[in-house]
Amino acid sequence: QQQVKQSPQSLIVQKGGISIINCAYENTAFDYFPWYQQFPGKGPALLIAIRPDVSEKKEGRFTISFNKSAKQFSLHIMDSQPGDSATYFCAASRNNNDMRFGAGTRLTVKP
Amino acid sequence: DAGVTQSPTHLIKTRGQQVTLRCSPISGHKSVSWYQQVLGQGPQFIFQYYEKEERGRGNFPDRFSARQFPNYSSELNVNALLLGDSALYLCASRGGGAGANVLTFGAGSRLTVL
Repeated sequence: QQQVKQSPQSLIVQKGGISIINCAYENTAFDYFPWYQQFPGKGPALLIAIRPDVSEKKEGRFTISFNKSAKQFSLHIMDSQPGDSATYFCAASRNNNDMRFGAGTRLTVKP
Repeated sequence: DAGVTQSPTHLIKTRGQQVTLRCSPISGHKSVSWYQQVLGQGPQFIFQYYEKEERGRGNFPDRFSARQFPNYSSELNVNALLLGDSALYLCASRGGGAGANVLTFGAGSRLTVL
C-alpha cells in the first residue's frame, strides 16, 4: 500500500545545520504533496505543502523542492533547531482523497 | 476552537474482541478519514467518509468498518481483533474550499491487543 517512499529513516543534524529528507512517488495522478511533523504522543500536523505546478515553496525555515519529471520531492529545514526534533512524513494525494504517507524520518537536532 | 477529538485515548483488548473508536471532526468539516499507524511506521489509510458516504477504502480486511453520522462524527469498528491490530488509530478531518486538501489529525486512540 506504500505508494510514497521516504528516506532516510533517521537523521541526526547539528543545531544550525540543514536537514534534508527525500521522497519519491509512483502515481502521476497525485496532485498534492504535503509534509507532516509528528511529536511523540501527538497526531501528525501539517508543516508545508506543494502542488506539482510549482518547483519550490518556502515557508520560513522550511522549503519543499519538487521535481515532477523525476517524481521526487524533498523537505529542507534550514538552521535546524533542537525543537525541530520530531518524525517527519511526506505524503501525496489526488483529488482530495486517499492521502498516502511515507514511512517517516526521525530527525534529531543536537544542540 | 476545538480540533479533531478522538476517544478513547488508550484501550486494551484481547484477541477476538471487538472495538469501537470515535471521532469528532473540526466544526464545519464534513470529511473524516481514518488511519492506522503502527509503531515506527507512517499512517496507513483505512477509510474516508464525506457527507456520510464512503469515499475511499484502503487495503484493510472486512473486519474493519466505519460510518459517519449526520453531525459528521465518525466511528471505526474493528472485529475479531488480532495482535497485529495493535496501533495508534488516527482520525483526520478536512474542510472545503481552499482547505479541502488539508488533513487535520486528532491525537489518536492507542489500541493494544493482548
